[in-house]
Amino acid sequence: EDKVVQSPLSLVVHEGDTVTLNCSYEVTNFRSLLWYKQEKKAPTFLFMLTSSGIEKKSGRLSSILDKKELFSILNITATQTGDSAVYLCAVERGSNYKLTFGKGTLLTVNP
Amino acid sequence: NAGVTQTPKFRVLKTGQSMTLLCAQDMNHEYMYWYRQDPGMGLRLIHYSVGEGTTAKGEVPDGYNVSRLKKQNFLLGLESAAPSQTSVYFCASSTRQRANYGYTFGSGTRLTVV
Repeated sequence: EDKVVQSPLSLVVHEGDTVTLNCSYEVTNFRSLLWYKQEKKAPTFLFMLTSSGIEKKSGRLSSILDKKELFSILNITATQTGDSAVYLCAVERGSNYKLTFGKGTLLTVNP
Repeated sequence: NAGVTQTPKFRVLKTGQSMTLLCAQDMNHEYMYWYRQDPGMGLRLIHYSVGEGTTAKGEVPDGYNVSRLKKQNFLLGLESAAPSQTSVYFCASSTRQRANYGYTFGSGTRLTVV
């Protein structure tokens, strides 16, 4: 059975801290791994990773994929209260590009 | 660009009633998906479509039907609603025509079945 596991499930930090969110997976026919940020409504796209070892970066957020060890990390540096959200990891798989999601990590950034 | 639009945003149904959720996208995406999101369960795929006129089952299809008569629209139907279908429903669309395509999600429909 395809599985995507995120850790920790929740995390509370102070503004300015650096956080690392983890995502491990076991799926058949892996195509890509995606990270999303979900505040109150729709998940918003952060990164799509297809190749091992290549870091993707956007401002204070960065992510990397390890296809040999089957995991990815999402780093957020100098956190701000606006980073408070649920971060979702999803793995795209199969010939029809279906997404399997993890349960998410709830990040709370306190001032 | 509106992206992905879902209607309605909220709905309360009585057990046994039927309804249709509408998803519309204006990005000419080939792929469309319906997910449900429940506390502690993450997002789970209900049905999906890889093109106009095609549909397929996802992980949790029971109790739902879908149709994709036009490329831009993907309808999710509940024929006889049950309390277990109380959830937040998200529609998403995607394309394979460019790299780093991601998936675009609608803002969700909160459905309560009483």
